[in-house]
Amino acid sequence: GAVVSQHPSWVICKSGTSVKIECRSLDFQATTMFWYRQFPKQSLMLMATSNEGSKATYEQGVEKDKFLINHASLTLSTLTVTSAHPEDSSFYICSAPTRSSGNTIYFGEGSWLTVV
Amino acid sequence: RKEVEQDPGPFNVPEGATVAFNCTYSNSASQSFFWYRQDCRKEPKLLMSVYSSGNEDGRFTAQLNRASQYISLLIRDSKLSDSATYLCAVALTGGNKLVFGAGTILRVKS
Repeated sequence: GAVVSQHPSWVICKSGTSVKIECRSLDFQATTMFWYRQFPKQSLMLMATSNEGSKATYEQGVEKDKFLINHASLTLSTLTVTSAHPEDSSFYICSAPTRSSGNTIYFGEGSWLTVV
Repeated sequence: RKEVEQDPGPFNVPEGATVAFNCTYSNSASQSFFWYRQDCRKEPKLLMSVYSSGNEDGRFTAQLNRASQYISLLIRDSKLSDSATYLCAVALTGGNKLVFGAGTILRVKS
C-alpha cells in the first residue's frame, strides 16, 4: 500500500481561487518533504523543500507567495496554489524520505490540477 | 545545460528485445543515482538504485560511470508491461533531493 498519500488526486478550480494539496506520510515521520511539478511530457521539476517546523526552501524561479507550503506536523505537508491561473495547471507530486528501508524516497500518488 | 539529460525517445522495440537507456548528469558532486519508472499520469516508482559497481535486478541492469558522469539502464527480454517512461534521477549528498531527467519513453510491441 501507499506510504505517502496525496489528496486530492484530481481538482478543477476557477481562475483566481486557491487550491490546497495535502501530502501525508503514513506509518513514518518525515521532517522533510519535497514538492514537484510536472507539465505534460516534461520532467518532474523540484519546486520546494518542505521543512517541519520551519520555512520551506524554494527552488530558483518558484514564487513562494504563490505556492504556499506548510509543514505543521511530522506527517503532513500542504501546498497551496494561490490565485491559480490556467498556466498553473499541472501534475503536482510530493515525496518523503524514510529513514528505514535504506532512506528510501516515496512519492505520493500525485495531484492533477486543472485551472479553468 | 540541464542537470540531468536523457534521450526522450521513444524507443519502439519488439517483445524480447534488449534495450538500453543512458543518462548524463552535470554535477560531479552527485552521490546517489536512481532509475524510476513512470506510467502515464501516475507517480514515479523506484525501479532501482544505481551503485558504482553496477547492479542487477532480474532483467534490469544499471551501471554508473562516474568519470564520464553517466548512468545506464539495460532491460533484457522486454515485456509489453515494460512500456513506460523511464526517469533517471540524481542527488547530492544525503540523497533526498532528487533532480530528474526528462525521461525516456519505451514502447514494447508484440
